[in-house]
Amino acid sequence: GESVGLHLPTLSVQEGDNSIINCAYSNSASDYFIWYKQESGKGPQFIIDIRSNMDKRQGQRVTVLLNKTVKHLSLQIAATQPGDSAVYFCAEKSGTYKYIFGTGTRLKVLA
Amino acid sequence: GAVVSQHPSWVICKSGTSVKIECRSLDFQATTMFWYRQFPKQSLMLMATSNEGSKATYEQGVEKDKFLINHASLTLSTLTVTSAHPEDSSFYICSASALTGGAGDEQFFGPGTRLTVL
Repeated sequence: GESVGLHLPTLSVQEGDNSIINCAYSNSASDYFIWYKQESGKGPQFIIDIRSNMDKRQGQRVTVLLNKTVKHLSLQIAATQPGDSAVYFCAEKSGTYKYIFGTGTRLKVLA
Repeated sequence: GAVVSQHPSWVICKSGTSVKIECRSLDFQATTMFWYRQFPKQSLMLMATSNEGSKATYEQGVEKDKFLINHASLTLSTLTVTSAHPEDSSFYICSASALTGGAGDEQFFGPGTRLTVL
């Protein structure tokens, strides 16, 4: 079946370092991918997205990389700050409109 | 960006009672709204998809008679948890989208509703 998964549940990084959060997806037909940030007790917050016809997209301090060959998605956060501490989810658009979320990675920023 | 609200933000109820959660798109018309459920330290699981004016489409394993969804207007969808039990305690999150059928149809998420059933 379709799945989007993350293996590492927690990532700890020093403040100021770069963070890389990875995601594997299984549906090669997915055409749209999104990264969300979720703080405790809140709904997901959109970070950045990428369409399947691209392999890289940059935002403010964030970069998403898409490798369709190995069905891998990554989120890079530059100069990680304490406010970046949260759970990060990748999601893929499956079919016409359905999103399938990955298992999530908790990012802890160490002072 | 588009804003989606949920009400209430948290609710505590007794077992056997019903609870209604509202999801509103505040500044755009949402042709489609989605309801997710999230258990602690887990991911979001899609429960159902609702289109304005039509019956909701439920995911496999989600009881439609227990989780009643109404999408009466382009800005409001409601989820009613009927005869709630402690195992229904969870974080319920809605999202809204003005679907155009394109690859970039973004879903805008609400802040979530924490349901605790005693």
